[in-house]
Amino acid sequence: QKEVEQDPGPLSVPEGAIVSLNCTYSNSAFQYFMWYRQYSRKGPELLMYTYSSGNKEDGRFTAQVDKSSKYISLFIRDSQPSDSATYLCAMSGANFGNEKLTFGTGTRLTIIP
Amino acid sequence: KAGVTQTPRYLIKTRGQQVTLSCSPISGHRSVSWYQQTPGQGLQFLFEYFSETQRNKGNFPGRFSGRQFSNSRSEMNVSTLELGDSALYLCASSPTGTPYNEQFFGPGTRLTVL
Repeated sequence: QKEVEQDPGPLSVPEGAIVSLNCTYSNSAFQYFMWYRQYSRKGPELLMYTYSSGNKEDGRFTAQVDKSSKYISLFIRDSQPSDSATYLCAMSGANFGNEKLTFGTGTRLTIIP
Repeated sequence: KAGVTQTPRYLIKTRGQQVTLSCSPISGHRSVSWYQQTPGQGLQFLFEYFSETQRNKGNFPGRFSGRQFSNSRSEMNVSTLELGDSALYLCASSPTGTPYNEQFFGPGTRLTVL
């Protein structure tokens, strides 16, 4: 079983809908939780990160972490066609940047105009 | 500031050959990591170099190796290529001093093994 599980999709939603992307994990040592966005033919780029449990909001994006359930989510409000991309969750322990990231397989999202 | 660059962008090789991929990190970044991305397995960590030393290593066979130079540029080598090595190879650099390991990715090298 993988340390991080993510539904690969694909997921298609109409423009303006709320999108929910999720990952589950098994390693209780994970402390930092990140979401990366990857456009076609590009490398991933960091979208948001959170430390430990809780919520973090950045514009139309909200990241949630529930460490008790080992479950993280990314919500996209008022989705736009430009949000069409692959979204990857990533996690690491708390060894001050010295630990490798463990990624989910990514969810391919398409926003239909 | 220029981003992470990778060369070449595309590569076609045959089974049994070897290949070397190159990565130039963002100026000032001393950590360079390599990942293999495939549709089935997603993004898998190969190894990380920091100040010319391998600091972390993933679960890949010894055919996969890397090195880092004093200017932080890095190369990755795959020997005795197999069909299953066909993938997008991503290089990422990371600044020091951040508690979370933010990775800045290059565009990748698409390797096809025939």
